[in-house]
Formats: sequence, C-alpha cells, structure tokens
Amino acid sequence: GAVVSQHPSRVICKSGTSVKIECRSLDFQATTMFWYRQFPKQSLMLMATSNEGSKATYEQGVEKDKFLINHASLTLSTLTVTSAHPEDSSFYICSARDIMETGKETQYFGPGTRLLVL
Amino acid sequence: AQKVTQAQTEISVVEKEDVTLDCVYETRDTTYYLFWYKQPPSGELVFLIRRNSFDEQNEISGRYSWNFQKSTSSFNFTITASQVVDSAVYFCALSEWYSGYSTLTFGKGTMLLVSP
Repeated sequence: GAVVSQHPSRVICKSGTSVKIECRSLDFQATTMFWYRQFPKQSLMLMATSNEGSKATYEQGVEKDKFLINHASLTLSTLTVTSAHPEDSSFYICSARDIMETGKETQYFGPGTRLLVL
Repeated sequence: AQKVTQAQTEISVVEKEDVTLDCVYETRDTTYYLFWYKQPPSGELVFLIRRNSFDEQNEISGRYSWNFQKSTSSFNFTITASQVVDSAVYFCALSEWYSGYSTLTFGKGTMLLVSP
C-alpha cells in the first residue's frame, strides 16, 4: 500500500508552547488529508479534513484556532497545536486519501505522533 | 448519520485458534465503503481491506477472510490459525460520500490478544 510519514513520532513540550506535526504522502499525491486524535484505548476521532489549496474543514467541537492546519502541497499537510496544554496530550494520526485510476479510494495512515504536554 | 459498532471490546485466544471479529454498521447511503484496519502496539494503522457496498463477494487473503452481509449490515473479519503477531486492535470503518469527499467513521475497535 501507499506510504504516509509523520514527523515527529513523539514530542514532549512545556505548556504554552506550540507544536507542529508534519504529514507527508511519500509515493502518491493527496489532495485530501485527514487529522485524527486518539486517546488511550479509544477509537480515532476525526479532527479535521485538510484540502490542498483551501481551508481545512473542522469537525464539531474542534477549535480551529487551536489546531491550525495547512495543506501547502499535494504531499504535505501540517497540524500545529498552538499554546499546548496538558489536556492536548494525545496520539495524533494523519491519513492521506489515495484515489486510484479505478476511482477506488483508500485512506492510508501515518505512524502517528505522541504528544505529551507537561 | 452513520455508525459502526464493534461489540467485542477484547478477545483472547490461544495461538492457532480461529477468531471472528464482528462489525455492524448503519448508514442511509446506498453507496458506501467498509474498511478494516489493524493497529499494533506501535500505533500505526495498517490498511487490511476495502469493500464497496455493491460487492458482496466474500474475500480471502491468506489467513484473513471477510464476510460482507448487506442484509444484516455486517462486515465480519475472521483470522484462521491465529498467531501471536496478530495481537493488535482491529478497527472497522465506514465511509460515505458527501461534499465531494469521503470521511471515515471508526468503530471503537476490538483488541485481539493471541497468546502462545
């Protein structure tokens, strides 16, 4: 399957700082990428949909000023957690949508970023 | 609204046993896709299968097989002769088209523990 990378894989930061997470599709172009959040032993919750060249679409309850998303190219989307606080500590996972010539599409996921805010 | 239910929170089996993970979904769409993903302890989600709503053929891939029953809105996943490396959380997911793109709704996941 297609490969999606995420960087960094884990980050520890102090409360009040901002953290940027990168998501890259390595062997395909993705007009749409998604950002999820996963708490321990829970399912993935969609935070926002990132579209190349346009504003991200946020799910209900997700603060767009808190979680800034930029999809600058067909292979890169970034999520910036601004003024992070301990409650933002979580596992953040991105995915990139791959659409094949047949029209079939699949989301391929990055390895995730573990964020710990002290 | 759409919903994916994985009623089994955790399953424990002994190596070489067969195990079936259940997935029941709800959607008003006539066109939709169903997925299974595996999440090992490392955290990365691994894509296992995609099935569209018009294809009810069952699929087998090695020790993995999937049973799609549209009449009961179920998309169950069976692992035969389970192995320790199969230990992971398995997510069933559903996608629908709206606003020009599709999003995934995940079930809560089933943790499979295979012991030697």
